[in-house]
Amino acid sequence: AQSVTQPDIHITVSEGASLELRCNYSYGATPYLFWYVQSPGQGLQLLLKYFSGDTLVQGIKGFEAEFKRSQSSFNLRKPSVHWSDAAEYFCAVGRGGGADGLTFGKGTHLIIQP
Amino acid sequence: DSGVTQTPKHLITATGQRVTLRCSPRSGDLSVYWYQQSLDQGLQFLIQYYNGEERAKGNILERFSAQQFPDLHSELNLSSLELGDSALYFCASSVMGMDTQYFGPGTRLTVL
Repeated sequence: AQSVTQPDIHITVSEGASLELRCNYSYGATPYLFWYVQSPGQGLQLLLKYFSGDTLVQGIKGFEAEFKRSQSSFNLRKPSVHWSDAAEYFCAVGRGGGADGLTFGKGTHLIIQP
Repeated sequence: DSGVTQTPKHLITATGQRVTLRCSPRSGDLSVYWYQQSLDQGLQFLIQYYNGEERAKGNILERFSAQQFPDLHSELNLSSLELGDSALYFCASSVMGMDTQYFGPGTRLTVL
């Protein structure tokens, strides 16, 4: 069965600093990978996804992520964070072929210091 | 706004009761997914429907059931509610099968 690990429960970053959120997955085949963001009291918004092709994917709000098969990782990065980036971030894995829901990590809570 | 709508936004009920959560997918999406988000279990996939048919099951309790109607909206029925069923329930939709899932705003269920 697939699984997702987000090792950092909380991360605190100063506004304007760079950010990297870690995600490791366990999956037997080529995974479909996603990063979602959840602001307090809100639903999940898709930041970016990886299905195939270029291993560096660009998303919304200036985020990017890199798929590294050898490390089973799909880390999320942003060069300069803004106070509005404070939220909960979820990495998820799914499989292709038309069935099954996503398996989510436990999430990383991002705190932005002024 | 993802285009996925869920009603109601909040629901407060008592143990032993039954509730129905409703989801309307994005226009053109055939697949609907239900997820439960709780503090102890995190985000868990419950069930998927595709064009009216059940497609995949996750960690859905026997007390829970769902269906997708001909107009593609879906309902999640939760019965014999327990305190531990208190959670945020999300619906997501996608065009077909496994591709990008777009999430609704969720229904917050509180069981007292």
